[in-house]
Parts: sequence; structure tokens; C-alpha cells
Amino acid sequence: AQSVTQLDSQVPVFEEAPVELRCNYSSSVSVYLFWYVQYPNQGLQLLLKYLSGSTLVKGINGFEAEFNKSQTSFHLRKPSVHISDTAEYFCAVRRSDMRFGAGTRLTVKP
Amino acid sequence: DAGVTQSPTHLIKTRGQQVTLRCSPKSGHDTVSWYQQALGQGPQFIFQYYEEEERQRGNFPDRFSGHQFPNYSSELNVNALLLGDSALYLCASAWGGAGANVLTFGAGSRLTVL
Repeated sequence: AQSVTQLDSQVPVFEEAPVELRCNYSSSVSVYLFWYVQYPNQGLQLLLKYLSGSTLVKGINGFEAEFNKSQTSFHLRKPSVHISDTAEYFCAVRRSDMRFGAGTRLTVKP
Repeated sequence: DAGVTQSPTHLIKTRGQQVTLRCSPKSGHDTVSWYQQALGQGPQFIFQYYEEEERQRGNFPDRFSGHQFPNYSSELNVNALLLGDSALYLCASAWGGAGANVLTFGAGSRLTVL
């Protein structure tokens, strides 16, 4: 079985500060990893994905994530956030079906 | 190019009623998955349709059923509604069946059960 744990339910940060949203997964086999963003009253938008290859994955809007197999983590980072990054962020793991974490609400303050 | 479209966007039902939600996949996509997102939680996988058949199913009761049409559009049906069925129902489409990794999500249908 596979599951996803997002370690922080809420992350407040000031504009232009760096941010890290943490995600750990558990799976006995190789999986594919994803980060999605959800803005209010909208569906989920794919930020980035790790399928294979380089463990550092770059996505849209300046986000990146690093796959760490030994620590079973896939943390999302951005060096400088903007007000417009305020949203709910979901980590997901896929082997057969897609399993999502509970989400991290990122709030960027001016 | 239209993405994934879902209808209706909002609806209110009472306990015991039945509801049908609809989804049109992104152009070029042949696989449709449905997710339930309760307030403050992540999406939970309900089932996936490919080639007009249910291919995978999450941990949801038989009250949840679906259908995929020859044009790849899909319906989600929920019978005997419970208060706990209140949620945002998301449809996601992809190309390639069970092996598809890149999902495109619709904006969802928000169901309220009174």
C-alpha cells in the first residue's frame, strides 16, 4: 500500500522569503511522485512530477522538488514566494491509483 | 482548447436522493478518473474509466457508480445520498489508460447534502 503524509497543514511566510513544503511517502515499491496546487474554487493544477531520472525536478512558477529515496521524501521548494502563490498544495504518489496527502495551505503575507 | 469541463458546478440534494455528475475530458484524452474531496482534505480516488469500463476502484461503496461513453465523457452517480457525501467531486482526464501519469483536473462539482 502507498500513502502520503504532508507534514505541515499550514505554512505562513512573508513575500520574497523562501519556502519548503514537506512531503513523505510510504511504499514498498517504486512510485511516481507529484505536486499539485489548488487555488480557491478551482481544480488541481500540476506543478511538477518525478517519474525517473534526475532527483531534482523543476516545475512551473519557479517551484522545484527533490526526490530522496532513502528518506522517502519529496519536498517542494521555492526560493522566493509571491502573494499569488497563496493556495493549497497537495503531494501525491502513484503506483496503481493516485493517492493525495491532506494538503498544505501556503499563505504568503506582504 | 477546452480543458476538463464538469457540470453542474454546484448542487444541493437531500438525504436519500440520487445525483448524477458529468465530465467531459480534455480533447485527446481517453481516460477519466473521479475523486472526492471533502472540506479540508485531499482528493480521494473513487474510480477510473477507460475504454468504457471501470478499470480501478478506490475504497468507496457500491452507491458510487459510473459510466464512460463512446466519446470518452463520463458520469458519476451516487445513490442514497448521505450527509457525508457532501464534498467537491473532481474529474480528471488523461491519455493512455491505467498507465497515464499526467492528469488534468476539472474545477469540480460541489455537492451539498442536507
